[in-house]
Amino acid sequence: QQPVQSPQAVILREGEDAVINCSSSKALYSVHWYRQKHGEAPVFLMILLKGGEQKGHEKISASFNEKKQQSSLYLTASQLSYSGTYFCGTGSNYKLTFGKGTLLTVNP
Amino acid sequence: DTEVTQTPKHLVMGMTNKKSLKCEQHMGHRAMYWYKQKAKKPPELMFVYSYEKLSINESVPSRFSPECPNSSLLNLHLHALQPEDSALYLCASSATGTGRYEQYFGPGTRLTVT
Repeated sequence: QQPVQSPQAVILREGEDAVINCSSSKALYSVHWYRQKHGEAPVFLMILLKGGEQKGHEKISASFNEKKQQSSLYLTASQLSYSGTYFCGTGSNYKLTFGKGTLLTVNP
Repeated sequence: DTEVTQTPKHLVMGMTNKKSLKCEQHMGHRAMYWYKQKAKKPPELMFVYSYEKLSINESVPSRFSPECPNSSLLNLHLHALQPEDSALYLCASSATGTGRYEQYFGPGTRLTVT
């Protein structure tokens, strides 16, 4: 089942912070986060596993609330290079289902 | 080396043609994936190979035929496609047995069916 992402789009000025949410109606075992720039392939950012393991990337971090079946991606002091579409992916083992994506635009 | 390569970058084919997409990785990953992505949509899983064996087929029409000749290569054979099959086809790979399965994507092949 497809996870639900919010917001659908967000526009920031450089240096501002943003939060992207991902929720599922099914129990989550892991949540993947990817960023895709226009015309490019998705790039792996981080994975959160049931039990609390977390991996950070630059000024990007994430949380995973197993009870609420939610994950949030935190982008701190955004840079122009953060612009792109962010996808969360949920599932188990090899089978990932991606949310519809959140389009993040960072302006100077 | 965290690179996944795909060829060709662009492909235009008629509905009666047969063509193949190729994907290669040298990260020692034993899981490889094919995804289809339409514009402004998320990637949709098509096939997964694990240890060169097909482990997931997401009810993909038989006009798409995957092949995994060895642990580094993944092909997608195309035959009698429809215009609605026009999309970006992404290949990805991941490690196995780690419980993480983070996927590394290739740049994709942009397919146009005329």
